[in-house]
Amino acid sequence: NAGVMQNPRHLVRRRGQEARLRCSPMKGHSHVYWYRQLPEEGLKFMVYLQKENIIDESGMPKERFSAEFPKEGPSILRIQQVVRGDSAAYFCASSEDGETQYFGPGTRLLVL
Amino acid sequence: LAKTTQPISMDSYEGQEVNITCSHNNIATNDYITWYQQFPSQGPRFIIQGYKTKVTNEVASLFIPADRKSSTLSLPRVSLSDTAVYYCLVGDRWDEGATNKLIFGTGTLLAVQP
Repeated sequence: NAGVMQNPRHLVRRRGQEARLRCSPMKGHSHVYWYRQLPEEGLKFMVYLQKENIIDESGMPKERFSAEFPKEGPSILRIQQVVRGDSAAYFCASSEDGETQYFGPGTRLLVL
Repeated sequence: LAKTTQPISMDSYEGQEVNITCSHNNIATNDYITWYQQFPSQGPRFIIQGYKTKVTNEVASLFIPADRKSSTLSLPRVSLSDTAVYYCLVGDRWDEGATNKLIFGTGTLLAVQP
């Protein structure tokens, strides 16, 4: 059973561009979580989704950030008009019933 | 969600047993205790989870005293490859309204030396 997959692993964007991060959960998992990790810090929760529904987006900035988990295909975290402060590692985790979460390898976003 | 406190760093040598203690004085009745391991440039990896007493798997043991206000992750005979950051997290698994979002602290950096 393949683990959580994220792509791209590394993403470089210039200020003002858009960043799209993809997450394919483990087979059979319908719960997806997104976390952000700044250098030398722990992970910070951003958003929790179940298929086609956003359950909790309390950790997501109100502007420029959005997330979706369509019926078919991966979950997408979208950052519009990126700024240097968005540079971080973004991790996706999935779970089968909202319990134990299994993390992907992350996408490292660098904004120039 | 209960706040956790753990040492910032620990040093050990290969072959030793390492015990990392986490304090969670405000743990709630329904909260479980979960430990994750994170290597540089990788996502956290689930190690072990427990509610009370002792839990053991092929990787580690988790000791939880009766009052559940702390827990200890025990790693037997560590090797160089166990050098990583270890996170202790506390959360409710059973509340249907809970999102089970994980609250990560800064973790404990374990450095294993030869």
